[in-house]
Amino acid sequence: QSALTQPASVSGSPGQSITISCTGTSSDVGGYNHVSWYQQLPGKDPKVMILEVTNRPFGVSTRFSGSKSGNTASLTISGLQPEDEGDYYCKSYQSSGTYVFGSGTRVTVL
Amino acid sequence: QVQLVQSGAEVRKPGASVKVSCKTSGYTFTNYLIHWVRQAPGEGLEWMGIFKSDIGDTIYARNFQDRITLTSDTSTSTVFMELSSLRSEDTAVYYCAREGVGTWYLDFWGQGTLVTVSS
Repeated sequence: QSALTQPASVSGSPGQSITISCTGTSSDVGGYNHVSWYQQLPGKDPKVMILEVTNRPFGVSTRFSGSKSGNTASLTISGLQPEDEGDYYCKSYQSSGTYVFGSGTRVTVL
Repeated sequence: QVQLVQSGAEVRKPGASVKVSCKTSGYTFTNYLIHWVRQAPGEGLEWMGIFKSDIGDTIYARNFQDRITLTSDTSTSTVFMELSSLRSEDTAVYYCAREGVGTWYLDFWGQGTLVTVSS
């Protein structure tokens, strides 16, 4: 039950857009729309930013958006801001009834 | 208001077991599932298992299948996670988190419980 593959780090300047990928298989990311994204700021608990691939929970900035193509889901942060700096994790439901997190991506605002 | 309150930090020796509690309140217990997730120091999130409060069923990650047990006390809306045969690599913060039945995402997390395994 290996973690979904994410880039270790992504960086961008304020105002730029960045995209974080999350690659799995047809048994998880590719087979279901049950992909969610979590932001973990330093010293804080994770917070859901995107659910069911594309949906934003109430209160989450419209700068955060999600998509999926095949076995890869993506999180895009538009208009990058200093407060976006932290770790981001994808999570997917799996055909075995289990769940799996991505390996995590450190976002740095230059 | 919704609360998931976990038990306090624990220290165990290698080979021992630990039982962490997650007391829930502020919502209908059977309308939400409880996941357990851990995070080792400086590492990422790792999914461990789920307690399906609506039907009393459990599903465990393959990595923990032989060592983890999730139980509940419905009278206090508390879920317990017991991990056995501890080793140093099990040193981590352990979180409980809830998922609304059929929503497929974690909307509320406990404060985390640090478990340290050291001889």
